[in-house]
Amino acid sequence: GESVGLHLPTLSVQEGDNSIINCAYSNSASDYFIWYKQESGKGPQFIIDIRSNMDKRQGQRVTVLLNKTVKHLSLQIAATQPGDSAVYFCAENFWGSQGNLIFGKGTKLSVKP
Amino acid sequence: DSGVTQTPKHLITATGQRVTLRCSPRSGDLSVYWYQQSLDQGLQFLIQYYNGEERAKGNILERFSAQQFPDLHSELNLSSLELGDSALYFCASSPGDRGDIQYFGAGTRLSVL
Repeated sequence: GESVGLHLPTLSVQEGDNSIINCAYSNSASDYFIWYKQESGKGPQFIIDIRSNMDKRQGQRVTVLLNKTVKHLSLQIAATQPGDSAVYFCAENFWGSQGNLIFGKGTKLSVKP
Repeated sequence: DSGVTQTPKHLITATGQRVTLRCSPRSGDLSVYWYQQSLDQGLQFLIQYYNGEERAKGNILERFSAQQFPDLHSELNLSSLELGDSALYFCASSPGDRGDIQYFGAGTRLSVL
């Protein structure tokens, strides 16, 4: 498969453990945030989003936490599975700007069986 | 399957040439975004079209141009290609012009030799 980045932070977890992926975003005016998962050879896939009027949002096996005070996002994956192995990106969008997303550098999650 | 279709999947060409990448958005989506992903730069926003009109511009080179047609499909034209243009090019679509989930296609891998 192809690599999406040569110098990505890597998180290695055991199958069944919980994973926490962190992201520092850049703009205090950002009001919408998305987490994407990118598997080798594929496009980014939407996981979960959160707006700035929320601190926490839960999906199926995933939770996103937003700390606006320190401009920090985290993605928690419960009971991590081998299929979760991928690169995870956070992205932000801020009101008054254009519609495009600003992506973070990404974190590579490696799940050991 | 995100519903966003990109063609071709792979493109190999020589320096100085011109290529056209095509994107069909999800049914009902009015916005199309183009992103470039290279190994050392991550996902970089190029340009956004909304309902046929250019809405936002990112770090798009003057050698690159795009358009969105009345049927809402979009084309990204890359000319006078250089080795450094080799990258993955992704198209994404969303219903509105901002603050929406963007759904990504599988990408076009461009190799300039």
